[in-house]
Amino acid sequence: EAGVAQSPRYKIIEKRQSVAFWCNPISGHATLYWYQQILGQGPKLLIQFQNNGVVDDSQLPKDRFSAERLKGVDSTLKIQPAKLEDSAVYLCASSLLAGGRGNNEQFFGPGTRLTVL
Amino acid sequence: AQKVTQAQTEISVVEKEDVTLDCVYETRDTTYYLFWYKQPPSGELVFLIRRNSFDEQNEISGRYSWNFQKSTSSFNFTITASQVVDSAVYFCALFRYNTDKLIFGTGTRLQVFP
Repeated sequence: EAGVAQSPRYKIIEKRQSVAFWCNPISGHATLYWYQQILGQGPKLLIQFQNNGVVDDSQLPKDRFSAERLKGVDSTLKIQPAKLEDSAVYLCASSLLAGGRGNNEQFFGPGTRLTVL
Repeated sequence: AQKVTQAQTEISVVEKEDVTLDCVYETRDTTYYLFWYKQPPSGELVFLIRRNSFDEQNEISGRYSWNFQKSTSSFNFTITASQVVDSAVYFCALFRYNTDKLIFGTGTRLQVFP
């Protein structure tokens, strides 16, 4: 079974530029998550989708970050414009079931490492 | 408040030593799950174990073992006879039962030297 795919793996941009990340979850997984992991910290949830609807985006800086999940499958996360503090690894994860089940294991992709200069 | 504390930032051991990674959590929920993940240099998070709040039995899987103690809100992870391939960052995480949210600790970087 193929895992969660993300691209690109690495991205270097200058501040105020725009950037987009792509995630392809495991086939059939209902829930998709985007996490931000700043160096030396644990991952922090940015946004959670269930199928193609947003379940939780309370931690997403909506003035510059946006995300969508078209047709309930692939997802893109965009930053526009980027700031220095956005330098981090952006992890995508997916889980099989839809919401509220504690045994709903999340499978993580390899992440995209963003450096903002 | 939901919180996970991993007080050990970095641990270095020599191969074949045993090492314990500490995890202390805070929650007011009566039903929750605890996880350990491994993050090797490649970056992806690898699931190691899930334990629900009603199951305090310790678990052993090969060289890995986990000690869950609700009385002290701890879920510690021990690697026996460590190997160089165990070098990674290890995260403990708390999962609230009625949500899909994982709350991660700050991680412990384990370096195993040959």
